[in-house]
Amino acid sequence: NAGVTQTPKFQVLKTGQSMTLQCAQDMNHEYMSWYRQDPGMGLRLIHYSVGAGITDQGEVPNGYNVSRSTTEDFPLRLLSAAPSQTSVYFCASSYFFGGNTGELFFGEGSRLTVL
Amino acid sequence: GNSVTQMEGPVTLSEEAFLTINCTYTATGYPSLFWYVQYPGEGLQLLLKATKADDKGSNKGFEATYRKETTSFHLEKGSVQVSDSAVYFCALTINTNAGKSTFGDGTTLTVKP
Repeated sequence: NAGVTQTPKFQVLKTGQSMTLQCAQDMNHEYMSWYRQDPGMGLRLIHYSVGAGITDQGEVPNGYNVSRSTTEDFPLRLLSAAPSQTSVYFCASSYFFGGNTGELFFGEGSRLTVL
Repeated sequence: GNSVTQMEGPVTLSEEAFLTINCTYTATGYPSLFWYVQYPGEGLQLLLKATKADDKGSNKGFEATYRKETTSFHLEKGSVQVSDSAVYFCALTINTNAGKSTFGDGTTLTVKP
């Protein structure tokens, strides 16, 4: 059972370049989300999706784009990388059952450095 | 809006010491509460959770009780081990908006032999 798979694990970009972080889950979860983790700041929500074709902004969406064409996939696009986007990125999926929110299942993370 | 406040770290303890990491929250709506743990070089994983007031979540000797009256979800363990060294995150999700979770800043725990 693969769970949540993120690629790549490491990436170095130059300012202004674009790239896509891939995320796939095999648990048939309705909800998927992207977070960034910066030292001393916990995890901050970038974008999230409550189902295929439905996305919404989180706390720090600027400079990022997402789409959800299938239940399984939720890629995160950096449109024009900036040094402020140097961070560790986590994709997560979750579910809703019996009136309660389930826990987040995280990928292993993608460490991005923008020079 | 929603917010989670964790006690500031880092926390350093000797093996077999008692651990408490405080977590308080503010929420618009009815939240489910979670503790996640991040071991060095790894992603986050669920440690325990509670979905309604007075519920106690427990796992691997860790416990936390959902206290609605004090809006708290403090993490405790009676006897820590070196292998418990990690970063611990308190988080909440509002049940009517299950796609969004709010995290605390994390507390780094180091346990020395």
